[in-house]
Amino acid sequence: GQQLNQSPQSMFIQEGEDVSMNCTSSSIFNTWLWYKQDPGEGPVLLIALYKAGELTSNGRLTAQFGITRKDSFLNISASIPSDVGIYFCAGEYGNKLVFGAGTILRVKS
Amino acid sequence: GAVVSQHPSRVICKSGTSVKIECRSLDFQATTMFWYRQFPKQSLMLMATSNEGSKATYEQGVEKDKFLINHASLTLSTLTVTSAHPEDSSFYICSANRELGEAFFGQGTRLTVV
Repeated sequence: GQQLNQSPQSMFIQEGEDVSMNCTSSSIFNTWLWYKQDPGEGPVLLIALYKAGELTSNGRLTAQFGITRKDSFLNISASIPSDVGIYFCAGEYGNKLVFGAGTILRVKS
Repeated sequence: GAVVSQHPSRVICKSGTSVKIECRSLDFQATTMFWYRQFPKQSLMLMATSNEGSKATYEQGVEKDKFLINHASLTLSTLTVTSAHPEDSSFYICSANRELGEAFFGQGTRLTVV
């Protein structure tokens, strides 16, 4: 079945640094989504990507849908303490989502 | 933005009892909702697809008689964990898709079976 390989598994960065994480797959997806999950909460949608090659920003977040529809990256610029959490990529096929394993982000003040 | 509300957020129940979790789409209609299970420090695993007015579709390995799903209206799906056991303790999350494939998630329900 479809699988997403998300990396890195975790990051511990200094406040103010930029962050980059990515997801790859051997499968093609119609839509790529990036979510952030805080402990004990459901995932919150950050960015949705619909077209191959699409580059979309949401504040300090930027994400791109790979031209082959098999990969995506998420960048966070000038990280702040509230960016801590787990970030998941998700690929949509049919009407279902498959999730990456998540990237745990910790920010040092 | 779209809002999906899940209730309760936490529940503790005795082994052998049943627990019902509700998932509501508050500002859009959802013919399809999804139920996920998440273990600590792991990703979300799809359990089943809830279809309004018809039977739910379960993923491989998920017991349909154990996890009863009802999607009686376009804004409400329920997941009932029947005869719960400690190994059913987990974080359960629902989602609903708006147009364009955007999935919005509920707040999650932490189930503890004692």
